[in-house]
Amino acid sequence: DIVMTQSPDSLAVSLGERATINCKSSQSVFHSTNNKNRLAWYQQKPGQPPKLLISWTSTRESGVPDRFSGSGSGTDFTLTISSLQAEDVAVYYCQQYYGTPWTFGQGTKVEIK
Amino acid sequence: QLQLQESGPGLVKPSETLSLTCTVSGGSISRGSYYWGWIRQPPGKGLEWIGTIFYSGTTFYNPSLKSRVTISLNTSKNQFSLTLTSVTAADTAVYYCTTTPAPPGSWGAFDIWGQGTMVTVS
Repeated sequence: DIVMTQSPDSLAVSLGERATINCKSSQSVFHSTNNKNRLAWYQQKPGQPPKLLISWTSTRESGVPDRFSGSGSGTDFTLTISSLQAEDVAVYYCQQYYGTPWTFGQGTKVEIK
Repeated sequence: QLQLQESGPGLVKPSETLSLTCTVSGGSISRGSYYWGWIRQPPGKGLEWIGTIFYSGTTFYNPSLKSRVTISLNTSKNQFSLTLTSVTAADTAVYYCTTTPAPPGSWGAFDIWGQGTMVTVS
């Protein structure tokens, strides 16, 4: 299984400031067939199902604000919230879909400082 | 727009079988655009992929659960189902039904989720 490890487990950021979440996979998730990394990010607010924010490492889903961005390649990835808003308080998960079993990181809780 | 809704018992006894159904609206599960599956989340914990099925009947299961899991389709009702046998307290979780786009889309990324249903084993 590909193990996904996120850091930090939690972070507190002031409104309007940048939040950065890291995700590391135990093996490369780069797929040579389309030269893309099979890495997704999800946002989960309390009492709600996860919401897909980003796929293919950096492709935002429709309707996702552009303050959310993803980057990285191979085994190291980052989700950045450029200017934290109150509605961004949530747990964020990375997930690899390079190979089954598809696996998630343990989650990073983002709060307001 | 596709919508998913889970249903099933909220309480299952240890050693018995957990059975859940996902009703799909806004599209047919017989279309080849999506794969259909289940993910669970124990209280206060992270996400675990359980398994996925295509309209053809092809299934993919998490090896950690494979011996106990079956996912099946009911095309006449536009539903798919999860059965998990020999449950223990460790199977207590919110169970979500989900979709993932068929290749060459982002197969394995879960773009549509049901609201989830809490199942307690006790």
